[in-house]
Amino acid sequence: AQRVTQPEKLLSVFKGAPVELKCNYSYSGSPELFWYVQYSRQRLQLLLRHISRESIKGFTADLNKGETSFHLKKPFAQEEDSAMYYCALKGTGRRALTFGSGTRLQVQP
Amino acid sequence: DGGITQSPKYLFRKEGQNVTLSCEQNLNHDAMYWYRQDPGQGLRLIYYSQIVNDFQKGDIAEGYSVSREKKESFPLTVTSAQKNPTAFYLCASSLEGFRPEAFFGQGTRLTVV
Repeated sequence: AQRVTQPEKLLSVFKGAPVELKCNYSYSGSPELFWYVQYSRQRLQLLLRHISRESIKGFTADLNKGETSFHLKKPFAQEEDSAMYYCALKGTGRRALTFGSGTRLQVQP
Repeated sequence: DGGITQSPKYLFRKEGQNVTLSCEQNLNHDAMYWYRQDPGQGLRLIYYSQIVNDFQKGDIAEGYSVSREKKESFPLTVTSAQKNPTAFYLCASSLEGFRPEAFFGQGTRLTVV
């Protein structure tokens, strides 16, 4: 079975502070990991995927297979980062995404 | 203009009635998905389809049914057997293989009274 855990429902930080949204997963094989973001009144959209090893809007995420984690990080939060963030996993056995419960990020001025 | 469209945006139904939610995409994607989004529970997979005329149950398929007669369309029927149908429903599609990430519709909020 595959599972994604996001332990924080809400993360509130001040503008300019570092941000780390936690994501842990459970999967026996080699998963693909993604971060999705949903801004207010907008569609859920892909933020980044671990295979790309890219930085999008200043966010990065590193897959740590030893700790089975895929935490999302940004060194300096901006107010426009306020949104709902979902971590998702795609395994080889089931070709559909499994999502975590989401973390709401609030960046205060 | 390519995209994935869900309709209607809001839907109200009386308890005991079946209701069908529409999802259409013109992205030429092979795979389509239905998720249910509830506060505090994230997105849970209802059904998915990798190819026309084929679909698989997700984690919470009970009380739901789907069909995939055309590549572009993946309608979801919420039946009277679904005990708690009031929710936000999201449809998604993806191009398998090279780019497996999913593109999402804007969702349908179903309220059963």
